[in-house]
This record gives sequence, structure tokens and C-alpha cells, in this order.
Amino acid sequence: KAGVTQTPRYLIKTRGQQVTLSCSPISGHRSVSWYQQTPGQGLQFLFEYFSETQRNKGNFPGRFSGRQFSNSRSEMNVSTLELGDSALYLCASSLGQEEETQYFGPGTRLLVL
Amino acid sequence: AQTVTQSQPEMSVQEAETVTLSCTYDTSENNYYLFWYKQPPSRQMILVIRQEAYKQQNATENRFSVNFQKAAKSFSLKISDSQLGDTAMYFCAFRPRSWGKLQFGAGTQVVVTP
Repeated sequence: KAGVTQTPRYLIKTRGQQVTLSCSPISGHRSVSWYQQTPGQGLQFLFEYFSETQRNKGNFPGRFSGRQFSNSRSEMNVSTLELGDSALYLCASSLGQEEETQYFGPGTRLLVL
Repeated sequence: AQTVTQSQPEMSVQEAETVTLSCTYDTSENNYYLFWYKQPPSRQMILVIRQEAYKQQNATENRFSVNFQKAAKSFSLKISDSQLGDTAMYFCAFRPRSWGKLQFGAGTQVVVTP
């Protein structure tokens, strides 16, 4: 099976712009979670989607949003970018059942100038 | 709220030797899962091993094994016969059974030297 894929892999934006990141889960996986990784804050949970519904949400401002499509692909959007949004954004997929392990994609590196 | 603590920022080990990484966590949950992920320089997060809290038997995966002490809320990872390819950041992570959020520790950088 193909693994989790994320596009784009690298992105450079300027402050105030918005950005959309995409994640395609492993075939058959219905849950997609997003994490932000920065040197200062480490790995932080953004949100989880299951069957097109947001199931859990982390402690991030409303500028961070996401959605999931009927084919389980997910997008996350960050509006009005700030310098502090520079990070590695990781997507993870799982079957969505309680005990399922999350498998990660390669990440999208976002640099905000 | 759950917290995960990895007290060793960096550890160095020679090839073929054994290294143990420590992890402690704090939770009021009774049913949960614990994981070790590794993140090599490529930044790809790779699952190393997982442990269900309701299982007393420690999980093993080839050269990787854990020592799970539920009462002490401790979950250490032992890497045996270390290889150069084991060089990576290792993250301990906790997830309650009831929902999908992973809570990560700060990570331990493991450097394997020839």
C-alpha cells in the first residue's frame, strides 16, 4: 500500500498570505490528524477528521482550519500567516477505530517570511 | 491533561551497543496506548513500537523493546545492537483509547557512532 502523501513538500509564503496544505491518507484509512512541529513548541496536535467531520481540535487560533473530503483526503488552511506559523506540518492517517495506530506522511515545510 | 516527559535531550551510543531511552507520562486515563516514533534527518515520522496499557507483556519489535511500568507511568525504549541507521530523534507518545490525539514528549536525539 502507498503511504501517506502530503503536498506540497516545501512552501514559502509571506506574512498575511494564506496557505492550503493537502494530505492523502493510506488507502482505506478514514481518519486524518494534523500536527505542527516547531523547534520551540515541539509536536502539537491541530485537529482530527473522521468521515468528513472534525472529531477533535487542538488549541490553535481560528486562522487554522481544515476539512476532509468524501475520499478521506484532507486539507488544512492557514489564513493571515504569521512568522510563527513557520513549521513542519505533519499529517497522520489511521483506520479511525479506537485502537488504531497513526501513520505519518513526510510533512510539509512551511516558511513564512 | 496528559503530559509526556523525556528527560534525555541527547544520547550517544556506539554501533552494536545498547541504549535505553526513558519516558514518563501523567494521565488519569486507564485505557490508553503508548508509542515510540523515530524521526530521522528526512523528518519522516516512523512508528517504532506500540504498547497497549491493558497488556502487561512488554512489546518487542526486532531490536527494539520496551519496559512498560504502568503503576510508575514509565515507558522506556531499549535499542539493542545499535546501527548507524538508528540515528534519529525518538519521540515517546501517548494516546487515550477514546480519541485520536497523540501527545508527544520533547524527543531524545540518538546518535549512533562507528
